[in-house]
Amino acid sequence: KQEVTQIPAALSVPEGENLVLNCSFTDSAIYNLQWFRQDPGKGLTSLLLIQSSQREQTSGRLNASLDKSSGRSTLYIAASQPGDSATYLCAVSHVNTGFQKLVFGTGTRLLVSP
Amino acid sequence: DTAVSQTPKYLVTQMGNDKSIKCEQNLGHDTMYWYKQDSKKFLKIMFSYNNKELIINETVPNRFSPKSPDKAHLNLHINSLELGDSAVYFCASSQGTGKPYEQYFGPGTRLTVT
Repeated sequence: KQEVTQIPAALSVPEGENLVLNCSFTDSAIYNLQWFRQDPGKGLTSLLLIQSSQREQTSGRLNASLDKSSGRSTLYIAASQPGDSATYLCAVSHVNTGFQKLVFGTGTRLLVSP
Repeated sequence: DTAVSQTPKYLVTQMGNDKSIKCEQNLGHDTMYWYKQDSKKFLKIMFSYNNKELIINETVPNRFSPKSPDKAHLNLHINSLELGDSAVYFCASSQGTGKPYEQYFGPGTRLTVT
C-alpha cells in the first residue's frame, strides 16, 4: 500500500529565505507526482506535475525534483514571500491503480513572516 | 469564472439526515472526483467518474452515493449522516484518463454533523 510522508510537518521562515519541502513515498512504481498548495479554507491549487520519466519541473520560483528510485521528491521555493504561506501537499499516482487515483501526503504547513 | 465550483460551501445538519453536495466544472474535462479531507487534514479519494461512468469507488460506506448527470456535473448524496461524516469534501476534475493529467480542485464543502 502506497504511503506518502511529508517532512517537516510545519516550517516557519523569514521572508527572502530559500527553502525545501520534502515528500517521500514507499512504492516507487508511480506514474507521476503532483505538488499542490492549499490556503486556509480554500481548495487545492496545482503547482507542478512531474511525470515518472522526468527528473524535475520548474515554474517561476518553484522547482520540484523527483528521484523515483529512492522514493523522494523535493519542492524548492526560492526567495520566499509571505504570500507563499500555505499548506503544501504532494500526491502520487501508482501504476497499479491508474493515473487518476492520487494518494496524498500529510502536508507541510509553511509560514513565511515579513 | 470559477473552474470547479461546489455548493453549498458550508453545510450543518443533524445526525440521521440526508444531504447532497453539488459540483460543476466548466473546464470541458471528462473526469471528475470526490475527495474527503478529515479533521487531521488528510485528503483521500472517494469516487471518480469519467464521462459519467464510475471508474474509482474506494472503500466508502454505501450511504454515500455519487451521481454524474453529465460530464460537467458530479453530485454526492449522503444518507443517514453520522458524526464521523464531518469533514471537508472536495470536488476535482481532470482532462481525461489517457494520461496523468493535472487535477483541478473546487473550494470545498465543509460538512458538520451535529
